[in-house]
Amino acid sequence: QVQLRQWGAGLLKPSETLSLTCALYGDSFTGYYLSWIRQPPGRGLEWIGEINHSGSTNYNPSLKSRVTISVDTSKNQFSLKLSSVTAADTAVYYCARGSMTTANYYYFYYMDVWGKGTTVTVSS
Amino acid sequence: SSELTQDPAVSVALGQTVRITCQGDSLRSYYASWYQQKPGQAPVLVIYGQNNRPSGIPDRFSGSNSGNTTSLTITGAQAEDEADYYCNTRDSSGNHVVFGGGTKLTVL
Repeated sequence: QVQLRQWGAGLLKPSETLSLTCALYGDSFTGYYLSWIRQPPGRGLEWIGEINHSGSTNYNPSLKSRVTISVDTSKNQFSLKLSSVTAADTAVYYCARGSMTTANYYYFYYMDVWGKGTTVTVSS
Repeated sequence: SSELTQDPAVSVALGQTVRITCQGDSLRSYYASWYQQKPGQAPVLVIYGQNNRPSGIPDRFSGSNSGNTTSLTITGAQAEDEADYYCNTRDSSGNHVVFGGGTKLTVL
C-alpha cells in the first residue's frame, strides 16, 4: 500500500524556520509531483509548492520568497522549509503525491496519496 | 485566472441528489479533481479526470465538466457524505496548483 508519512517540529517561535519531511513508502518518486499543502484553522486548503524526482520546483507566488522544497531520491523523501514564520503560518501541513496526464486534449491533475498532516503552531 | 470558485455551503436531504460546482478559467484546459475532507482528517481523492473514481470510492460519486465549470454529483447522499469538498487543478500556465475555497456539504 502506497503511503506518505510526514514528520517535523510542531511548535515554533516567530522568525524561526519551519522544517518538515515526508517519505513515500510503496512506490518511487519517478513521474510524480510531490506537493506541500497547508490548511489554517477553520479555513481551506492552500498549495505551498511542489518538486519532482529530478528536483524541479514550483512554488505558490505568495510564499515563494520564504519556501524551499528539496528531494532526496535515495531515501524517497522530500522536505519543506518555510523561513521567518509568523502566527499566520499556523496551520496543518500536508504532503501529497500528484499525477498529471492527458486525455481527449485535456490535461488532468490529481493528488491521490496524502500524508496524515502535521499541526504547526507559531507562538511566542 | 488562477482561481477556482466554489459555493461555500450546500445542503441535501438524506437519499437525494446534490451537485457541487467549481468554476475557473483553467478548467477549459484541465479536468479538475475533487477531494472529500472530514473534520480532523486529511483530504481524500474522490473524483479525478473526466469522471474517474479511485478504488474504494462509492459509485454514487460522479464528476462532469462543461466549459469553465466542473461538477461533483452525489446521487443518493448518505449521512457519511457530510464533509467539506474541494476542487483542485493546475492554473492556466500549468506551473501552479490551485484549490477552490471548499464547499461544506450538510446532509439533512
